[in-house]
This record gives sequence, C-alpha cells and structure tokens, in this order.
Amino acid sequence: DTGVSQDPRHKITKRGQNVTFRCDPISEHNRLYWYRQTLGQGPEFLTYFQNEAQLEKSRLLSDRFSAERPKGSFSTLEIQRTEQGDSAMYLCASAPGLAGLVAKNIQYFGAGTRLSVL
Amino acid sequence: GESVGLHLPTLSVQEGDNSIINCAYSNSASDYFIWYKQESGKGPQFIIDIRSNMDKRQGQRVTVLLNKTVKHLSLQIAATQPGDSAVYFCAEKETGNQFYFGTGTSLTVIP
Repeated sequence: DTGVSQDPRHKITKRGQNVTFRCDPISEHNRLYWYRQTLGQGPEFLTYFQNEAQLEKSRLLSDRFSAERPKGSFSTLEIQRTEQGDSAMYLCASAPGLAGLVAKNIQYFGAGTRLSVL
Repeated sequence: GESVGLHLPTLSVQEGDNSIINCAYSNSASDYFIWYKQESGKGPQFIIDIRSNMDKRQGQRVTVLLNKTVKHLSLQIAATQPGDSAVYFCAEKETGNQFYFGTGTSLTVIP
C-alpha cells in the first residue's frame, strides 16, 4: 500500500454517461498527477496539480475530461459523455514536490480505477 | 519525450541470474528518469531514479545506467527473484512536470 487511495476501484458505465473518480494522495504531498493506462501500454500523462493549481494538461486531453483539486488535498477526475474509447485504468499519483528535497519527483501511485464503458 | 520505448517486450530469466532491461528515449532535453515496477492489479511502484547529470546509480540489488550519447537507459537487477516478476517501465521527464512512460517489459523469473 503506497498511501494513495483511489475510489472506486472499478466502474462500469454506459456510453454517454458521466463518471467521476476520486484520488486521495499522501497527505504531505503537494504534487498530484492523473494518468490513463490501457492494456499493454505504459501510463499516459493526463494532468498535474501543484497544491490546488492545475499547472499542466496533456494537449491530447479531450475537453470532456476535467480534473479538480479544490483544497490541495484530494482530487477528482470527471469524464463527461463517456465513449468506449475511454475504457482504461485511470491512475493517480502523488509526489512530495518540496523544493530542495532530493526525492521530490518520485511519484507514488494508487491502485487505479478501472473504467469500462459499454 | 513521447517516444520512450523499450527494446524487448518480454524477458525470461532463471532465478538467481541477473536481469537487464533496456529503454531508449528520444528527447535529449529530458533531465530525469525513473524506473517503475508494476505487478498485476497494482499501480506502478518506484524502483530507482537517475538525473541526467549522472551515468550510474545503484540501489538495493538494482543499478540504473544512463548513456546520454545514445539516449539509452538500462535497469540491472542482481540475483533475480520470483518476486521480481512484473512489468517494468522507464519514464522520462522533460523540463516541465510531464512524465512520459515507455511501453514496458514483462519480466518472468523461472524458478
């Protein structure tokens, strides 16, 4: 257990529905990342938060995807009008991000939320 | 940064032997690299990292080598154990905070 929690672990939805996933990072970590992973592939970067600020988004990220981290702690990832191509594992990771800390970039991943769009 | 790749998709080794997993990256601006291990049903787990100003770093039973001339990264696992069976990813970071992962190599340790 890395200390990063994701909920739910599995989500099955019908095409066109909206879904929301939650990530609770390690409490003292100020960096939070979302990734998408499909079978046989490495994680694909989606977005990055430093505290509550969303600083980077993948240019490949559809506008149906939105993420928030309102208080700089937990984060949510929402997918609107889901499509079958959205079926994947959605991973959240957190990192210390403290300036000067040697390990500030080391990301700790949750177990992921597996989304199946029917 | 989006062309991180691995030379071999699968690798099988005998228990006790050393394993070498290779990774090629394309962006010479990448300044930081991480190796992750992912077991079935779990998220990636940090193994070891290396900055671009280094060419070698050692951990417990693992060594990462970085060759910036040919943009190549390798992970060496000494005395491979059954618990090392997993998919291994290399990831690179450019100047921002986006990490790019390779496709992964599946390591199988034969008892």
